[in-house]
Amino acid sequence: DAKTTQPNSMESNEEEPVHLPCNHSTISGTDYIHWYRQLPSQGPEYVIHGLTSNVNNRMASLAIAEDRKSSTLILHRATLRDAAVYYCILVTNAGKSTFGDGTTLTVKP
Amino acid sequence: DVKVTQSSRYLVKRTGEKVFLECVQDMDHENMFWYRQDPGLGLRLIYFSYDVKMKEKGDIPEGYSVSREKKERFSLILESASTNQTSMYLCASRQDRAGNEQFFGPGTRLTVL
Repeated sequence: DAKTTQPNSMESNEEEPVHLPCNHSTISGTDYIHWYRQLPSQGPEYVIHGLTSNVNNRMASLAIAEDRKSSTLILHRATLRDAAVYYCILVTNAGKSTFGDGTTLTVKP
Repeated sequence: DVKVTQSSRYLVKRTGEKVFLECVQDMDHENMFWYRQDPGLGLRLIYFSYDVKMKEKGDIPEGYSVSREKKERFSLILESASTNQTSMYLCASRQDRAGNEQFFGPGTRLTVL
């Protein structure tokens, strides 16, 4: 199964944009790229997903490289409530998904 | 509001006991999943099901079984609990195979003594 690689941790200042990178060099042509985040003592929460084109929603933007071997989650203005562990995962056509260790985002006031 | 519920938030069992973890979703989703989450290991997929009575092994199925008799309910069974199965267990559901968001339950923290 294709795996993803993310930095262990990142820091951001409140009100500033945050770019969370993810490498998935072994992605197959039909794998979807999903992002989730997890707050302490809660289950993961969906953020955004895409296949080939960049995507925007009310929470974030997803920029997907042309070769699909990497992607970046963009939080346009970080708030303290965005502090969480962010997971980049690949979802196969069969519905199987593998979570890595994620990136712990710290937002400083 | 869509919901995935799990039968218990906290559970304490003894080694060798049979343990049932129940998960129910009210969104009429086809796909349901069981993960376990351990510090430093992230979320690991145990089993998933894409239809009633169907199941597929995930990355770490050993020591677990599942049951999906009804669309809305997906049960994880530990036939004989062991201490290395102490973990946070998360259930999730999704409408189709890959192209939609996955909804997670709040998790069950299982301790096996």
